[in-house]
Amino acid sequence: KAGVTQTPRYLIKTRGQQVTLSCSPISGHRSVSWYQQTPGQGLQFLFEYFSETQRNKGNFPGRFSGRQFSNSRSEMNVSTLELGDSALYLCASSLDRGWDEQYFGPGTRLTVT
Amino acid sequence: SQQGEEDPQALSIQEGENATMNCSYKTSINNLQWYRQNSGRGLVHLILIRSNEREKHSGRLRVTLDTSKKSSSLLITASRAADTASYFCATGLIQGAQKLVFGQGTRLTINP
Repeated sequence: KAGVTQTPRYLIKTRGQQVTLSCSPISGHRSVSWYQQTPGQGLQFLFEYFSETQRNKGNFPGRFSGRQFSNSRSEMNVSTLELGDSALYLCASSLDRGWDEQYFGPGTRLTVT
Repeated sequence: SQQGEEDPQALSIQEGENATMNCSYKTSINNLQWYRQNSGRGLVHLILIRSNEREKHSGRLRVTLDTSKKSSSLLITASRAADTASYFCATGLIQGAQKLVFGQGTRLTINP
């Protein structure tokens, strides 16, 4: 099976812009979770989607949003970018529940200048 | 303390030695998982232990879980340079949202 893929791998944006990141889960996986990883805050949960519905949400402002399509592919969007949004954004897919074994993509490295 | 705290934060050992990392958590869990992350890359799942299990093995990895103490340990035996990475424990919560909560990680360095 192909692994979790994320595009793009690297991105440079300026403050105030918006960005959309994409994630394709492993075939058959219905749950997709997104995480933000920074040196200071570590790995923080953004949200989880299951069957095109947001099932869980972390403590992030409304500028962070996401969606899932009928083929389980997911996108996350960050609007009005801030310098503090610079991070590695990781997507992970799992079979069903949010606590199942998760398979991570390589991540998207976002730099906001 | 947070749900899922690893100890120590950093560990440096010689190749061939055993490495032990610990994880403590606060609330009831469905399972506890360990992941490895090489620098700047995605996490790789290592092992999952359910709340009704006490010990699990996978190759050179041994994980224990003590639900009464709300703690787990990951033992890597006969370490190799390729084991150099960050190791995270993640707890599968059963209260509230059914999600994984990751700890801050242990940075393991294996010296040749």
